[in-house]
Amino acid sequence: GDSVTQTEGQVTVSESKSLIINCTYSTTSIAYPNLFWYVRYPGEGLQLLLKVITAGQKGSSRGFEATYNKETTSFHLQKASVQESDSAVYYCALGEAGNTRKLIFGLGTTLQVQP
Amino acid sequence: NAGVIQTPRHKVTGKGQEATLWCEPISGHSAVFWYRQTIVQGLEFLTYFRNQAPIDDSGMPKERFSAQMPNQSHSTLKIQSTQPQDSAVYLCASSLGLGDTQYFGPGTRLLVL
Repeated sequence: GDSVTQTEGQVTVSESKSLIINCTYSTTSIAYPNLFWYVRYPGEGLQLLLKVITAGQKGSSRGFEATYNKETTSFHLQKASVQESDSAVYYCALGEAGNTRKLIFGLGTTLQVQP
Repeated sequence: NAGVIQTPRHKVTGKGQEATLWCEPISGHSAVFWYRQTIVQGLEFLTYFRNQAPIDDSGMPKERFSAQMPNQSHSTLKIQSTQPQDSAVYLCASSLGLGDTQYFGPGTRLLVL
């Protein structure tokens, strides 16, 4: 079946430094899946950060960017300069092709931004 | 827009008791999903309804778990004879249609003692 891998369980970055959170995916479908980054801020629910539905395209939101790379099957999340308010748990997800489009999530990466 | 509403937010049950979790999707959304989140397994898909009809329950445990959507404004997830391993956060999500962005509720944290 389809799967999503986030290699880092926790990342600590100093404020104003750059960030990259790794995400790779695997799919058995011949169709390219939709890719998502969801975020859960402390005390809040899971919310969409950005999504990309076309291979080769880049999505962006709140200063974060992610490029859908079908050659490397990756969808890494990047930000040039993080803020303390970016501290949260970030989930990479794949939307399965087919009749359901259910989401397959990675285990999540906890980002701690130090002032 | 109130977003996806889930009740209760927290539930504690004794082993062997029944638990019913409620979800009210965003008005106008035709697709409703249930997911479960645990520390070990992460976020896992359970079941999916479209226009109130059950479409995919491939993630549901075969025993004790059932889900219904009796009308367009709410869905329930019922766990019979709860076991400690059922302890998790159960998340409901809705989307406008097939393939559209899924919006998540705050979740119900279930603890089975």
